[in-house]
Amino acid sequence: KAGVTQTPRYLIKTRGQQVTLSCSPISGHRSVSWYQQTPGQGLQFLFEYFSETQRNKGNFPGRFSGRQFSNSRSEMNVSTLELGDSALYLCASSLSDQDYGYTFGSGTRLTVV
Amino acid sequence: QQPVQSPQAVILREGEDAVINCSSSKALYSVHWYRQKHGEAPVFLMILLKGGEQKGHDKISASFNEKKQQSSLYLTASQLSYSGTYFCGTDEYGNKLVFGAGTILRVKS
Repeated sequence: KAGVTQTPRYLIKTRGQQVTLSCSPISGHRSVSWYQQTPGQGLQFLFEYFSETQRNKGNFPGRFSGRQFSNSRSEMNVSTLELGDSALYLCASSLSDQDYGYTFGSGTRLTVV
Repeated sequence: QQPVQSPQAVILREGEDAVINCSSSKALYSVHWYRQKHGEAPVFLMILLKGGEQKGHDKISASFNEKKQQSSLYLTASQLSYSGTYFCGTDEYGNKLVFGAGTILRVKS
């Protein structure tokens, strides 16, 4: 079966711009979580969506936002990009909100210059 | 709150065993374990649920002490393919998985 698909794989943006990243979960998975991964900070939780509702969020500024559509696909948006936003952004889907492991996508590598 | 993993790094020879620990100061609903190889996405190994249920890889074993909010991952008879960074993730609510800083495992031949 198809895995978690994230697009684009690589992105280069300029400070001050905004960016939208996309995540298509495994068919039937209704929970999607987003993470930021950097060498210094590890895997940091951004937010989790289930049935189009954001149920939890991490400690990131309001410039980071997301949404989930009725087909469970999710997008995250970062506005007014800063150099420190350069990172690997991973999304993970799960069969339900609890009791199952997560399947991660390959990530979007964002570089802000 | 981020769980604490130990050790930070470990080097093994093929066939040796290792234990990676994870502890939290919060009451947990579940603990997850993942392995990430360089340049790849994290891969699910195991989930341990409050109440004792476990699901995951049949060649990996782990424990979860609910009273102490501690989990341990046991890697026995290590193989070269076990090399990577191991992350534990802890979840208090069932919808916010927070990861530790990771344990780098290197298996040498």
